[in-house]
Amino acid sequence: DAGVTQSPTHLIKTRGQHVTLRCSPISGHKSVSWYQQVLGQGPQFIFQYYEKEERGRGNFPDRFSARQFPNYSSELNVNALLLGDSALYLCASSRSPGGEYNEQFFGPGTRLTVL
Amino acid sequence: QKEVEQNSGPLSVPEGAIASLNCTYSDRGSQSFFWYRQYSGKSPELIMSIYSNGDKEDGRFTAQLNKASQYVSLLIRDSQPSDSATYLCAAANQAGTALIFGKGTTLSVSS
Repeated sequence: DAGVTQSPTHLIKTRGQHVTLRCSPISGHKSVSWYQQVLGQGPQFIFQYYEKEERGRGNFPDRFSARQFPNYSSELNVNALLLGDSALYLCASSRSPGGEYNEQFFGPGTRLTVL
Repeated sequence: QKEVEQNSGPLSVPEGAIASLNCTYSDRGSQSFFWYRQYSGKSPELIMSIYSNGDKEDGRFTAQLNKASQYVSLLIRDSQPSDSATYLCAAANQAGTALIFGKGTTLSVSS
């Protein structure tokens, strides 16, 4: 079975621009989570979605938004890009949100560089 | 602020030795814990999950959990150069909706 897929792989933007990142979960998984990882740090939680509803939100500004589609794929949008938004953006899929035994599997990530 | 703490390393061990990686967490409500391996330039790969106190073994990997001490560890037996990577410890929040990660421990296995 295919794993989590993300697009694009790499992206270069300038400050103030907008970006959309995309993710398709593992077949049979209904929950998608987004994380930001800056160099030298562990991933930091941004959002979790399940059945098109937001189930969790991390400590990120309102410039960050996301949505989930009926086929369980997801988009992460970031407006008014700042230099500090440069990072690896990771999508993780799981069978359902919350509860025990809820393993999250990561996609390859999108490397965003803001100039 | 819920936190997961790990020694950043680097932890250096010779090939064939046991590597011991440790992690503490602050949220007593966390019930699920995970170890991920991340090679340089790649995304994290899930290698172990543990939910109950005690040990869980999978091949060369053993995860240990002590909820009273809020402590999680990962042992890698017969370490190989291919085990050289950053190991991330993660604890799920109380709702289980988010993973809180440590900064990772860099392991270097020399041949």
